[in-house]
Amino acid sequence: EAGVVQSPRYKIIEKKQPVAFWCNPISGHNTLYWYRQNLGQGPELLIRYENEEAVDDSQLPKDRFSAERLKGVDSTLKIQPAELGDSAVYLCASSSLATGPNYGYTFGSGTRLTVV
Amino acid sequence: DQQVKQNSPSLSVQEGRISILNCDYTNSMFDYFLWYKKYPAEGPTFLISISSIKDKNEDGRFTVFLNKSAKHLSLHIVPSQPGDSAVYFCAASTSNTGKLIFGQGTTLQVKP
Repeated sequence: EAGVVQSPRYKIIEKKQPVAFWCNPISGHNTLYWYRQNLGQGPELLIRYENEEAVDDSQLPKDRFSAERLKGVDSTLKIQPAELGDSAVYLCASSSLATGPNYGYTFGSGTRLTVV
Repeated sequence: DQQVKQNSPSLSVQEGRISILNCDYTNSMFDYFLWYKKYPAEGPTFLISISSIKDKNEDGRFTVFLNKSAKHLSLHIVPSQPGDSAVYFCAASTSNTGKLIFGQGTTLQVKP
């Protein structure tokens, strides 16, 4: 079974430029999460999808961040414009409604964003 | 407001000995607790979890203990192996939110 696939693995952009991250969850996983991990910190939830519906986006900075999950499968996370403080690792994860998150999400390898 | 805290940034143990990683939380509504392991340049991988109705869960070399009165959990690794060297995150959730709150992580180094 393929895991959660994220691309790109690394991205370096200048501030004020746009950037987008892509995630393909595990087949059959209804729930998809985007987390951000700052250096030396644990991951923090940005947005959670149940199928194509965003059910928790309270932590998403909506002035510059947007996300979508068309057809309830792949998802993209966009930042426009990027700021220096957005430098972090962006992690995508998925879980099955049948087992729920309490038996562990499956995370992708993440996208390391550096804003210069 | 850090609801889940790992106060030890790092821990070093000798191969074959016990590793004990600690985690404290403040929210009494948490009903599931999880440990994740993370190698460099990889995403976190699920290790073990425990429900708030239990005080111990064991899986091979890994045991998680939960002390609800103290709002404290710990992960014991016995015996520790060099391949266990990684960053360990504890996380907590409430069943109805589906959201994990992570601690800051503890870097474990197991020396041969």
